Amino acid sequence: NAGVMQNPRHLVRRRGQEARLRCSPMKGHSHVYWYRQLPEEGLKFMVYLQKENIIDESGMPKERFSAEFPKEGPSILRIQQVVRGDSAAYFCASSPDRIYNEQFFGPGTRLTVL
Amino acid sequence: KNEVEQSPQNLTAQEGEFITINCSYSVGISALHWLQQHPGGGIVSLFMLSSGKKKHGRLIATINIQEKHSSLHITASHPRDSAVYICAVRLIWANSGGGADGLTFGKGTHLIIQP
Repeated sequence: NAGVMQNPRHLVRRRGQEARLRCSPMKGHSHVYWYRQLPEEGLKFMVYLQKENIIDESGMPKERFSAEFPKEGPSILRIQQVVRGDSAAYFCASSPDRIYNEQFFGPGTRLTVL
Repeated sequence: KNEVEQSPQNLTAQEGEFITINCSYSVGISALHWLQQHPGGGIVSLFMLSSGKKKHGRLIATINIQEKHSSLHITASHPRDSAVYICAVRLIWANSGGGADGLTFGKGTHLIIQP
């Protein structure tokens, strides 16, 4: 049973470009969480999605950031017009259900904005 | 004040020593997680606790709900245990006003085990 997959593992973008981060949850998991780890800071919750629905986006910046989890395919975290402050490690986690909520983390995507 | 506080922030010990990392939280929770992160690496979930004690190999995690406190212990520590250990909580929905499904994290404890 493969774990949570994230790609790319490393992503370099210039200011103003778009970044797309992908997360494939563990098999049988339909709940996905995105977290951000800024340099020298702790992890922060961004968004929680179930298939085709955003359930909680209280941690998402108001502008430039969006997330989706379509019926087919991976969850996508999209950052438009990236700025240097977006440089961080982005982790996704998945869980099989909302109530028990044991979360399994992916390896992360390290985004560097030049 | 952070909702999740860990201590110590940094810990250096000799191989074989018994290690304790502490986590205190100030809010109502439904579960507490202990996570491990190696430098530049991914995050591994070690334990999820809502009460009592769990053991896996040389790792032991305990939680006291009344005192809002959890500890992670490592017995017979080894250099490969060197990592950042992170405490994270899942807030009780009624207390959180949002973000209830996402975890709230401590800043982590940087552990170095010297041979």
